[in-house]
Amino acid sequence: GAGVSQSPSNKVTEKGKDVELRCDPISGHTALYWYRQSLGQGLEFLIYFQGNSAPDKSGLPSDRFSAERTGGSVSTLTIQRTQQEDSAVYLCASSPRLAGGGAKNIQYFGAGTRLSVL
Amino acid sequence: SQKIEQNSEALNIQEGKTATLTCNYTNYSPAYLQWYRQDPGRGPVFLLLIRENEKEKRKERLKVTFDTTLKQSLFHITASQPADSATYLCALDGASSASKIIFGSGTRLSIRP
Repeated sequence: GAGVSQSPSNKVTEKGKDVELRCDPISGHTALYWYRQSLGQGLEFLIYFQGNSAPDKSGLPSDRFSAERTGGSVSTLTIQRTQQEDSAVYLCASSPRLAGGGAKNIQYFGAGTRLSVL
Repeated sequence: SQKIEQNSEALNIQEGKTATLTCNYTNYSPAYLQWYRQDPGRGPVFLLLIRENEKEKRKERLKVTFDTTLKQSLFHITASQPADSATYLCALDGASSASKIIFGSGTRLSIRP
C-alpha cells in the first residue's frame, strides 16, 4: 500500500515480557516519528529519526524503550519488561522532510498498534 | 520550555454553526503551523498548513488563521456537520531541518444534529 503500515494492529502481552512494534513508512520519506497516545489523551512524542542523523530520543520515557531504523526505512520500537502503564496506542508517522530551511513536515500516520499489558 | 495549549478538551456545537478551535503556544517561533483531524481508532490526518508570514488559509469549509504576535492559531469549520465530529490537533514546526514537530493535546469536537 501507499500509506504508513504498522504491525501488529493489536498486541496483548503479560507484564514483564518484551514487545516489538513495527513501522513501514511511506517509501522515500526520510523522517520517521514514534508517538504514544493513551486513551483520550494527546500525542506523546517518543523518538524521531531524520535521514542518517542521530535520532532524537528525548521523548523515550525510560531505558526500557528503544527504537531503531534499518536502512533508512523500516523502524522497530522495542519495549522491554513491559509494565501496565505502557498500555497505550503507539503511532508511527513518516514525512518527506524536504531539505533546507522552512522545510515542510507534514506527517502521515499509520493506524497504530494498540498495546495492552496485563 | 515549549508549550502548546488547545482551548478546551471538548467543544459541542449545533449543526450549521461555525466551530472555532484555538491553539496557543509559548516559548516557540514556528515557521509553520499545521492542523490535523483524528477519528477514534485511527491516526491523525493532515488538514491544513499555514506559514508564519500568512495570515489566513482556506480549504473548502475550513479556515485557519495564524497570529505570530499573539502566538495563536484559530481553526474554523463553517456550516458544521455531524461528520465533522472528531478530535482536532494543532502542531508546530520550526524552520530548522533538525527541528521536530510538536503536537497539542487536541480538542474533541462534537456537532449535534
